[in-house]
Amino acid sequence: GQNIDQPTEMTATEGAIVQINCTYQTSGFNGLFWYQQHAGEAPTFLSYNVLDGLEEKGRFSSFLSRSKGYSYLLLKELQMKDSASYLCAVRSPTDSWGKLQFGAGTQVVVTP
Amino acid sequence: DTAVSQTPKYLVTQMGNDKSIKCEQNLGHDTMYWYKQDSKKFLKIMFSYNNKELIINETVPNRFSPKSPDKAHLNLHINSLELGDSAVYFCASSPVPGEKLFFGSGTQLSVL
Repeated sequence: GQNIDQPTEMTATEGAIVQINCTYQTSGFNGLFWYQQHAGEAPTFLSYNVLDGLEEKGRFSSFLSRSKGYSYLLLKELQMKDSASYLCAVRSPTDSWGKLQFGAGTQVVVTP
Repeated sequence: DTAVSQTPKYLVTQMGNDKSIKCEQNLGHDTMYWYKQDSKKFLKIMFSYNNKELIINETVPNRFSPKSPDKAHLNLHINSLELGDSAVYFCASSPVPGEKLFFGSGTQLSVL
């Protein structure tokens, strides 16, 4: 089976840094995605990791450790518009058609 | 032009009715999906089609029937609607199975 855990909610101040952790226990692994979802809107792609290490993309970075079943999304220089839910999703091996299993999401609240 | 468009955006209906949600993508992707997001914000895959062929069919009541007339369209028909079907349904597409998802804006289904 699949188990993906992320904190339910995190609060941080504008300009600060927030790290959203995601741990997973899955029957197979072929990559991990992070998506951002604003309230009432569709999820949008943020990042993808398949090898261990850090991927940096502007203010957002994502890290993966396959041996630990662990990833984090780092949001730097927080802005009010970053208030949203952040979804971690694990991809199954290709023999399962690369099916994505999503975590429940972490609601990030940015305060002035 | 909207990349993945689904209609209607809101659907309010009585228990026992039959309803359909339509989805179209103009990205030239091979793969399309239906996801359900419940009140706890879990995003769960229901179906996936690759080049009009069903490749993922999760444990979904057979009251739900997807149809893909061509690779740019994936519709969802729901028979005998139940209260528990109330959720947001997202259509999505990806270039090939398991790649980055592009989501439609969602259909908020409320069954009364």
